[in-house]
Amino acid sequence: ETGVTQSPTHLIKTRGQQVTLRCSSQSGHNTVSWYQQALGQGPQFIFQYYREEENGRGNFPPRFSGLQFPNYSSELNVNALELDDSALYLCASSLESVNEQFFGPGTRLTVL
Amino acid sequence: QQQVKQSPQSLIVQKGGISIINCAYENTAFDYFPWYQQFPGKGPALLIAIRPDVSEKKEGRFTISFNKSAKQFSLHIMDSQPGDSATYFCAASSGGNEKLTFGTGTRLTIIP
Repeated sequence: ETGVTQSPTHLIKTRGQQVTLRCSSQSGHNTVSWYQQALGQGPQFIFQYYREEENGRGNFPPRFSGLQFPNYSSELNVNALELDDSALYLCASSLESVNEQFFGPGTRLTVL
Repeated sequence: QQQVKQSPQSLIVQKGGISIINCAYENTAFDYFPWYQQFPGKGPALLIAIRPDVSEKKEGRFTISFNKSAKQFSLHIMDSQPGDSATYFCAASSGGNEKLTFGTGTRLTIIP
């Protein structure tokens, strides 16, 4: 059984640029959630995807967007990057109607 | 209403001792309470979880105690070991495969 994988591991961007982060869900899981974890803080929910549709969104602006593909992998896109977007971005996969969410290792994004 | 408050912020325990981390929540709709362990540079790993229909759940050295009337739950780590040194997060969610609301984290250090 393959766990949740994310790419890239690290990324450095400048303010105003756009970034795409990728996530492959754990085998058999059909739901992907994205979280932002600032340094020294708990993860904050960005949004969740189920059956290729957004299924809930946290308090993040529209420049944060996502996609889920038929194989349940997912992308997180962030436009017009701001310095405060610097964080660890975590992807978690789960099975519909089952609470347990399993996290990937994250992508460390630095915005200069 | 969505907050989960966690304490202490940091904790130092001697090897072999009991580590105790506490969380309190406000939203009475929460019905799933997991604890995650996170090592530096890694994603959170699910440790143990509880639902409000039981007051205690034990898995190996890890125990969750749950007090529904007080809206509080805690993690107890028995016989704490240096390898337990990590940041621990409590979380809560409601209604099936919903977003997790995390506490702010506790940095646990186990000293010899």
